[in-house]
Amino acid sequence: AQTVTQSQPEMSVQEAETVTLSCTYDTSESNYYLFWYKQPPSRQMILVIRQEAYKQQNATENRFSVNFQKAAKSFSLKISDSQLGDTAMYFCAFMKSGGGADGLTFGKGTHLIIQP
Amino acid sequence: DAGVIQSPRHEVTEMGQEVTLRCKPISGHDYLFWYRQTMMRGLELLIYFNNNVPIDDSGMPEDRFSAKMPNASFSTLKIQPSEPRDSAVYFCASRGGYNQPQHFGDGTRLSIL
Repeated sequence: AQTVTQSQPEMSVQEAETVTLSCTYDTSESNYYLFWYKQPPSRQMILVIRQEAYKQQNATENRFSVNFQKAAKSFSLKISDSQLGDTAMYFCAFMKSGGGADGLTFGKGTHLIIQP
Repeated sequence: DAGVIQSPRHEVTEMGQEVTLRCKPISGHDYLFWYRQTMMRGLELLIYFNNNVPIDDSGMPEDRFSAKMPNASFSTLKIQPSEPRDSAVYFCASRGGYNQPQHFGDGTRLSIL
């Protein structure tokens, strides 16, 4: 079974700063996907970014980028030029590649607060 | 393009009552997932379907929980009888095939009194 650990229950930064959220995972799989989801107070689950384990290049989506270290089983999210709208819970998630265990395994989340 | 649609958005009911949560996946998506979110346990997978067939229901907590997908555009999650510890946010998500990301509905906040 896979486990996902987010060691920072809460973080707070000033608007426009850069912030990094940590995520580590444990798996015996060699092929898998990693995701970051954002959950604002509205309760929606919004996909932020996705990384395929077999790709060495780190994924980026505008102000969001990841630092994927496969050997260390680490998958951190960097948010540049943070905005008030980035305030939300952020969940790291793991999905095994291929058929079989198709659901997502989530970490417990990090509550990110962007201060004006 | 409509997203995953869940109803109701909120449900408050008394212990012992039957609760039915509904989900309409994104058209064309052949995977459907039900998750539960609580403060204590976080987000947990309850069950998922592929082409309307239940594939893995190992996350369903008890026999009081059941899920069906009678066709490609509709799924239900039932709790009978409901208990206060079932209070949670229940999410439905769908996916358009192998290794594609899941798209979530807005969730149903369930409160059992």
